[in-house]
Amino acid sequence: EDKVVQSPLSLVVHEGDTVTLNCSYEVTNFRSLLWYKQEKKAPTFLFMLTSSGIEKKSGRLSSILDKKELFSILNITATQTGDSAVYLCAPNRDDKIIFGKGTRLHILP
Amino acid sequence: SAVISQKPSRDICQRGTSLTIQCQVDSQVTMMFWYRQQPGQSLTLIATANQGSEATYESGFVIDKFPISRPNLTFSTLTVSNMSPEDSSIYLCSVSYRVNYGYTFGSGTRLTVV
Repeated sequence: EDKVVQSPLSLVVHEGDTVTLNCSYEVTNFRSLLWYKQEKKAPTFLFMLTSSGIEKKSGRLSSILDKKELFSILNITATQTGDSAVYLCAPNRDDKIIFGKGTRLHILP
Repeated sequence: SAVISQKPSRDICQRGTSLTIQCQVDSQVTMMFWYRQQPGQSLTLIATANQGSEATYESGFVIDKFPISRPNLTFSTLTVSNMSPEDSSIYLCSVSYRVNYGYTFGSGTRLTVV
């Protein structure tokens, strides 16, 4: 059975802190791993990772995939209150993406 | 990336009735999917909407409860039938242009069944 485990489930930090969000997965016919940010209803796309060890960056956010250990991390540096959201890890299995429970991140001013 | 128009944005419905949710994409896409997000939960895939053929449903979801149409490469509908309060959720459509490409989500429909 497919499994996607995100940790921590919830995190509260102060503005300016750096956070690391974790995602471990076990899925059949793995193709890629995606990260999304969900603030209201619709998740917004952050990254898609297909190769191990290659870091993807977008501003203060970065992510990396380890296909051997079946693991990915999402880093956010110099956090801001606007980073408060649920962050979702979503492996692509057979061209369908399945979601973990998410990490709820709250940034205190 | 695709621009998706999803309607309605929200609705409050009586139990026993049905609601049809529409998803319109601004360009042709290969794959369209429907998800449900129950309160406090993550997203669960309901089905893949296939153009010109029946949708492919995930375990735990059936066509009688969630009939799906996809008449062309830019449009799909999901109907939630014979609703009960347990169907209160956010419903989201998602599209991808091709295999192993990015997946974009519609704005979502917040459904409350009373």
